[in-house]
Amino acid sequence: ETGVTQTPRHLVMGMTNKKSLKCEQHLGHNAMYWYKQSAKKPLELMFVYNFKEQTENNSVPSRFSPECPNSSHLFLHLHTLQPEDSALYLCASSQDGIAGGTDTQYFGPGTRLTVL
Amino acid sequence: TQLLEQSPQFLSIQEGENLTVYCNSSSVFSSLQWYRQEPGEGPVLLVTVVTGGEVKKLKRLTFQFGDARKDSSLHITAAQPGDTGLYLCAGGGGNTGFQKLVFGTGTRLLVSP
Repeated sequence: ETGVTQTPRHLVMGMTNKKSLKCEQHLGHNAMYWYKQSAKKPLELMFVYNFKEQTENNSVPSRFSPECPNSSHLFLHLHTLQPEDSALYLCASSQDGIAGGTDTQYFGPGTRLTVL
Repeated sequence: TQLLEQSPQFLSIQEGENLTVYCNSSSVFSSLQWYRQEPGEGPVLLVTVVTGGEVKKLKRLTFQFGDARKDSSLHITAAQPGDTGLYLCAGGGGNTGFQKLVFGTGTRLLVSP
């Protein structure tokens, strides 16, 4: 595997379910990101991790819980979601690992989430 | 809140035509990036412009950053079906670098053979 991979690619869940999205980067990068891309709003940054430490939470509701066990893996734990949370969730990574870094972000293909 | 408005939202053209996509904001950005996102994939960085008035060329694509660093344009010459995709501009730089990018509303381009 190369680049940034995300699993699953598609997920359908009910509002009472608990599920997790997984992201893995094979680039040796030190920063990882979660983004939300919905049909009606621009691509939005959710969380940033630098060297496994969360450095940015863009006012994301607590029903989204990120976890970064190491610099190569990033999870997004989901619980009691709402239908308006249906979107494409994208993971990205970059080399830098410092807040304010300027390295290129490399995106995964995303997980298409549908909340019923 | 910083916003980046892109126009047009949708563009459907024939192969060989030229087109321009615009990205406008009321805010000043230190840098501006352009991405292309193909169906089923994440965005891929095309270019970064960092100086007001800067022009960069990438084969048939020409990118310009406005003098006041509030706007940018992407011009494609002789579009090809492979140019089809969602084009996104993103502002960043300064203290937050590229880790807190503000993305534009997107322009969806369809180039037909």
